[in-house]
Amino acid sequence: AQSVTQLDSHVSVSEGTPVLLRCNYSSSYSPSLFWYVQHPNKGLQLLLKYTSAATLVKGINGFEAEFKKSETSFHLTKPSAHMSDAAEYFCVVSDRRNGGSQGNLIFGKGTKLSVKP
Amino acid sequence: DAMVIQNPRYQVTQFGKPVTLSCSQTLNHNVMYWYQQKSSQAPKLLFHYYDKDFNNEADTPDNFQSRRPNTSFCFLDIRSPGLGDAAMYLCATSRERGQTYEQYFGPGTRLTVT
Repeated sequence: AQSVTQLDSHVSVSEGTPVLLRCNYSSSYSPSLFWYVQHPNKGLQLLLKYTSAATLVKGINGFEAEFKKSETSFHLTKPSAHMSDAAEYFCVVSDRRNGGSQGNLIFGKGTKLSVKP
Repeated sequence: DAMVIQNPRYQVTQFGKPVTLSCSQTLNHNVMYWYQQKSSQAPKLLFHYYDKDFNNEADTPDNFQSRRPNTSFCFLDIRSPGLGDAAMYLCATSRERGQTYEQYFGPGTRLTVT
């Protein structure tokens, strides 16, 4: 069965410093992986996705993530945090039900990012 | 701009009083999903439509039902809301139903049950 583990429930950084949000996945197949961001009382916005192409994926707002099969990790990074980055971040793997034809999402529990001035 | 729209953004209903939440999309996507998200938790998939084909998750209570009258609209009906149904309800769409297709989310409807 597939699963996603977000290693930190809460990360706090200072504005202008790097961001690292950690994610490990479990999958018997080549996974599709996503990072979504959710600001308070808003829907989820796709930051980036990995679907077996380049292992370093660049997303919106300066975020990027690297797929490391040997470590089963898909950590999200940003060189310099901005106040507007404060939000909840979800690492997500796409379900392989029915040989991958279903596409249902399996969410991690989320990491709340706080950015201090 | 193409988007996923949810109405209303905030809904208050009484215990046991049926309520309907609405979702529409201008993306012309084949698949529409409904999620329930409780406070400080990840979204939980309730069901999805692939075109007109309804797919219920095994652990979705019978109290929750859905309708998709056309490609653009999808409704979530809660027949008899309980206090435990208070949550954010998220609608999402994807172009196709496959592992590589990302989902696009609406802003959500926050449901309060009094």
